Amino acid sequence: EDQVTQSPEALRLQEGESSSLNCSYTVSGLRGLFWYRQDPGKGPEFLFTLYSAGEEKEKERLKATLTKKESFLHITAPKPEDSATYLCAVQVTGTASKLTFGTGTRLQVTL
Amino acid sequence: NAGVTQTPKFQVLKTGQSMTLQCAQDMNHEYMSWYRQDPGMGLRLIHYSVGAGITDQGEVPNGYNVSRSTTEDFPLRLLSAAPSQTSVYFCASSPQAGYGYTFGSGTRLTVV
Repeated sequence: EDQVTQSPEALRLQEGESSSLNCSYTVSGLRGLFWYRQDPGKGPEFLFTLYSAGEEKEKERLKATLTKKESFLHITAPKPEDSATYLCAVQVTGTASKLTFGTGTRLQVTL
Repeated sequence: NAGVTQTPKFQVLKTGQSMTLQCAQDMNHEYMSWYRQDPGMGLRLIHYSVGAGITDQGEVPNGYNVSRSTTEDFPLRLLSAAPSQTSVYFCASSPQAGYGYTFGSGTRLTVV
């Protein structure tokens, strides 16, 4: 069974305090790993897709990396506007368009 | 370019009532999906479609029905609402497998 586990469940940072969110996955074959950001009361917003181990993608203060068993979302010098829930999802080869999501990491960045 | 549009945004139903959640996308995406989001459980796939006329079940399909007669629309029907179907429902679309999904803003459904 495909599984995605995110940690920590919640993270509180001060502005400028860098940290990383973890997404561990167990799948039969990985087609892609996706990171999303979700603000309260809104739908998930696509951030990155990673396809193979060693791949990295960056956007502003966010950097996503991928190994054969996990992905990290590094947040450098976060600002209060980075506060959101960050979701990780995997798409498995041979499963058409299905995504399996983790339960997310709730990030709060304070002044 | 509106992206993925879901209606209604909020709905209250009585147990046993039926209703249709609407989803439309204007990006000519082939793949569309319905998810429900419950506290502590993450997003779970209800039904999905890989093109007009083609649908399949996801992880939690019981009590829901879908059809896809056009590329643009993918409605989700609740046949006989139950309190266990109280949730936030998201529709999403993608151009093809391996690409990121674009999500709608959600429908918050309460069944009393």
